[in-house]
Amino acid sequence: QSALTQPPSASGSPEQSVTISCTGTSSDVGGYDYVSWYQHHPGKAPKLLIYDVAKRPSGVPDRFSGSKSGNTASLTVSGLQPGDEADYYCSSYAGGNNLYVFGTGTKVTVL
Amino acid sequence: EFQLAESGGGLVQPGGSLRLSCAASGFSVTYNFMNWVRQAPGKGLEWVALIKNEGTTFLADSVQGRFTISRDDSKNTLHLQMNSLRADDTAVYYCAKEYFYRFDCWGPGTLVTVSS
Repeated sequence: QSALTQPPSASGSPEQSVTISCTGTSSDVGGYDYVSWYQHHPGKAPKLLIYDVAKRPSGVPDRFSGSKSGNTASLTVSGLQPGDEADYYCSSYAGGNNLYVFGTGTKVTVL
Repeated sequence: EFQLAESGGGLVQPGGSLRLSCAASGFSVTYNFMNWVRQAPGKGLEWVALIKNEGTTFLADSVQGRFTISRDDSKNTLHLQMNSLRADDTAVYYCAKEYFYRFDCWGPGTLVTVSS
């Protein structure tokens, strides 16, 4: 199972929006609605932002939204804030021997 | 509040062994799906292992036959026994609680370095 493909970096000015793509295959992203997104500030514990493609856990601002089309999922961060500077990872259930596959990660910079 | 804290990382020679631990608080590891996920330097996250509430275990192909996931219910602790370690096992290892196909609680990680 190969890692899901994400752009290495994305950036935007405060209050702007960025969208991060996450491309997999019909065996993972396209095959299940179990895509989740995580925010990771280096040195800290990753944080769940989105699950089941587009659902937000309680406490996550609605500035974070998710979607999926075919084998590609997307995370949009609206109204960028300095605290949004972090690495972002997608993940999908994949079944088989390697149950979960993660994305390659995207570093978001707030200009 | 759910919390996880990993320990046991360090420097180990190729071919050596190491046992990681993950102490849970605020919930019971016995009744939850618990995972290990790792991140090699400069790389993305990689799923490593899962132990379900009923005790069934799953391992990624990359660690099959070398790593074992287990738990100590009396100490509310998750373990990862790592044998025959290789340089490409060097990574920060995170434990993560799973809830219906998402990882809703993570620890801050523990660094494992495999080098001579």
